Amino acid sequence: AQSVTQLGSHVSVSEGALVLLRCNYSSSVPPYLFWYVQYPNQGLQLLLKYTSAATLVKGINGFEAEFKKSETSFHLTKPSAHMSDAAEYFCAVSDWGGGGADGLTFGKGTHLIIQP
Amino acid sequence: DSGVTQTPKHLITATGQRVTLRCSPRSGDLSVYWYQQSLDQGLQFLIQYYNGEERAKGNILERFSAQQFPDLHSELNLSSLELGDSALYFCASSSLDRGPPYEQYFGPGTRLTVT
Repeated sequence: AQSVTQLGSHVSVSEGALVLLRCNYSSSVPPYLFWYVQYPNQGLQLLLKYTSAATLVKGINGFEAEFKKSETSFHLTKPSAHMSDAAEYFCAVSDWGGGGADGLTFGKGTHLIIQP
Repeated sequence: DSGVTQTPKHLITATGQRVTLRCSPRSGDLSVYWYQQSLDQGLQFLIQYYNGEERAKGNILERFSAQQFPDLHSELNLSSLELGDSALYFCASSSLDRGPPYEQYFGPGTRLTVT
């Protein structure tokens, strides 16, 4: 079964600083990868997804992620953090065996704190 | 707003009881997924239905069951409830067209508290 590991349950950055949230996947073949964001008391919103068309994926709200097969990573970045980015971020993988249509396997999440 | 609706928003019940959570997918989406989010287990995939048929199973307990109706809405039934079943239950939907990767759109969730 595929899995994802998110390093750092909490990440704190200053407003305007670079945001880097780490995600490593465990798979023998490139999986389908996603980043979701969850604001307090809300459902999950898709930030971006890896489509294999390009290794650098741009998402909403200025976020992007780079797929690195050699490092089995799909880290999420944003050049300049904004107070509104404070939320829980989840990396997720979809099982290749199910054609990418099965349920997602989520990492444990990273709580992003933005310091004024 | 993702277009996925879930009712009720909150549910408080006692141990041993049975509850039903309801989900309406986005218009046109044939696939519905159920997830459980708890502090202990994180976000876990429970079960998936596609156009009325069960398509995939995750970590769903035998006390839990689901179904998808002809109008594509889905219900998750939780029975013989235990304190540990207290969690946020999310429904997500996807169209499963235009090829993978398939985006899943999440509803706002139902918060279940078992006392």
